[in-house]
Amino acid sequence: GAVVSQHPSRVICKSGTSVKIECRSLDFQATTMFWYRQFPKKSLMLMATSNEGSKATYEQGVEKDKFLINHASLTLSTLTVTSAHPEDSSFYICSARDRNRDTGELFFGEGSRLTVL
Amino acid sequence: GENVEQHPSTLSVQEGDSAVIKCTYSDSASNYFPWYKQELGKRPQLIIDIRSNVGEKKDQRIAVTLNKTAKHFSLHITETQPEDSAVYFCAAAYTGANSKLTFGKGITLSVRP
Repeated sequence: GAVVSQHPSRVICKSGTSVKIECRSLDFQATTMFWYRQFPKKSLMLMATSNEGSKATYEQGVEKDKFLINHASLTLSTLTVTSAHPEDSSFYICSARDRNRDTGELFFGEGSRLTVL
Repeated sequence: GENVEQHPSTLSVQEGDSAVIKCTYSDSASNYFPWYKQELGKRPQLIIDIRSNVGEKKDQRIAVTLNKTAKHFSLHITETQPEDSAVYFCAAAYTGANSKLTFGKGITLSVRP
């Protein structure tokens, strides 16, 4: 149980285009999902907290108009990188917490590697 | 907010030896301390976690200890194997509604055959 699926796993796009990444909790409901960015050999940097039915909460320094987050249901959150540029190339990982488990444990998606040409 | 420091940043051990990774945290309200293992290009996997109501937890070759007074916790891996080679992250959180995990910078563990 507690599986989080992230899609796509890899995406290559041209500069200026937008890319959408999906994060789904397959066997549990998640009122809260988290989006991280990870640079090579670096830690997980929290970008934003995605709340079902309300606006996402962004960490300091993360542009909300650049990284659009939508959490329309209890099992799906999406991250859209708008007008992507080469500096947006990175590994993006989502995670989710089971609303019915009060353990604090996070379940991670497989990650999405974005390359902007 | 919470600040998690992780030391050292790299660790190399001989196969069969033990490895110890230490983390400190700043927020005394934090009560949940997980450890994640991440292999190259893959998702972080929870390997063990501990809550503030206990001082130690063990799962086969892996153990975690917590010192709430000093605000530090450690991961202990015994009888290390080459497949233990990975990046290990510690994290801390207060398990309230919508609480977020704060991660340490990670340590690259290399187990030499």
